[in-house]
Amino acid sequence: GAGVSQSPSNKVTEKGKDVELRCDPISGHTALYWYRQSLGQGLEFLIYFQGNSAPDKSGLPSDRFSAERTGGSVSTLTIQRTQQEDSAVYLCASSRDPVGKGEQYFGPGTRLTVT
Amino acid sequence: GESVGLHLPTLSVQEGDNSIINCAYSNSASDYFIWYKQESGKGPQFIIDIRSNMDKRQGQRVTVLLNKTVKHLSLQIAATQPGDSAVYFCAEKEGGSYIPTFGRGTSLIVHP
Repeated sequence: GAGVSQSPSNKVTEKGKDVELRCDPISGHTALYWYRQSLGQGLEFLIYFQGNSAPDKSGLPSDRFSAERTGGSVSTLTIQRTQQEDSAVYLCASSRDPVGKGEQYFGPGTRLTVT
Repeated sequence: GESVGLHLPTLSVQEGDNSIINCAYSNSASDYFIWYKQESGKGPQFIIDIRSNMDKRQGQRVTVLLNKTVKHLSLQIAATQPGDSAVYFCAEKEGGSYIPTFGRGTSLIVHP
């Protein structure tokens, strides 16, 4: 079956502009995560959605970052007034059993470059 | 907070050799550990996992070892191939938690 998909694959934007990144999780996966990966670094947790529960936003670095998940499926990560330090690869992952086994399936990521 | 880290950021091996990638963790409450492989331009891909009630688990050409006494995790790759070249991440998760903690990653370079 289809894996996690993300769009766009690459995004170049000017400092101060807003960007929207999209994630389509695996069908049936109730949990969805957003991570940020800077060059040569590990994965920085941003936000977690589980079903219809309130999301865990504890990893969002500033109020310029927000995310939505509509209908328990597609998610959009929005970054307002982008800064150069926002340049990174943004990864989305979904999971069927986040508390138990916890195996996550990752999308290919969106590479964001803020000029 | 507690963290997961890797001893070696880069590991170079010859094709056919066995590779060992190490990971140290500090959260004694972690009970689930995962290794991911990330190839260039792609998202991390699950390789193998292990629960804290085990000390060894084998997959196809890969073995994960867990030493809870010293809080150490390792990934062994047998007969390393050029296609194994990637960044390998360990991740740990505490029971009941839904957010794993990822290490920084080790870059494995396999020379033909």
